[in-house]
Amino acid sequence: QKEVEQNSGPLSVPEGAIASLNCTYSDRVSQSFFWYRQYSGKSPELIMSIYSNGDKEDGRFTAQLNKASQYVSLLIRDSQPSDSATYLCAVNKAAGNKLTFGGGTRVLVKP
Amino acid sequence: EAEVAQSPRYKITEKSQAVAFWCDPISGRATLYWYRQILGQGPELLVRFQDESVVDDSQLPKDRFSAERLKGVDSTLKIQPAELGDSAMYLCASSRTGGASGGTEAFFGQGTRLTVV
Repeated sequence: QKEVEQNSGPLSVPEGAIASLNCTYSDRVSQSFFWYRQYSGKSPELIMSIYSNGDKEDGRFTAQLNKASQYVSLLIRDSQPSDSATYLCAVNKAAGNKLTFGGGTRVLVKP
Repeated sequence: EAEVAQSPRYKITEKSQAVAFWCDPISGRATLYWYRQILGQGPELLVRFQDESVVDDSQLPKDRFSAERLKGVDSTLKIQPAELGDSAMYLCASSRTGGASGGTEAFFGQGTRLTVV
């Protein structure tokens, strides 16, 4: 079992719709959770961090964390073609700053 | 956020040659990571530094890869000899340690795209 798992996609959504991305992790004592956006050929860019159960909203992005079920999700509202990218889920384990990434979900927003 | 500086942006090298990458993290960021990202996959940790000390190099192929962070500031990752399978994006990231939020938000440099021919 991979430590951090994501559906590779592609997730195809029409412009203006909500894109919903999911991520599960195996280490129950993980403490910090992050979403990165990565455009083709570029490096990952941090877009959201979440540390406690519940929802966290930032603009059109909402991160949701459920530690009991060991999953974290990202919602992108009013999806735009510029949101087309790969979204990486990253989890920080309790012991120090070991940051582990999932394989990423590719999102395609169609005009 | 101030940027993490990496160089070179692109590198083409022949198989069996040596290659080196350089990273200058955000000032004051104690934790420095080197990741390797193969096309279509997520970043995989190669080595993690806390200040000048290596705290995790379990995934670093030590027969050919080496990393150092003298004085706990900038870092160099070296591959000798390079193999065809080393073709990938090499990413450097840095984060603080501790802090109210855990201080573990990591910010990446632009990466080095390595092609081994």
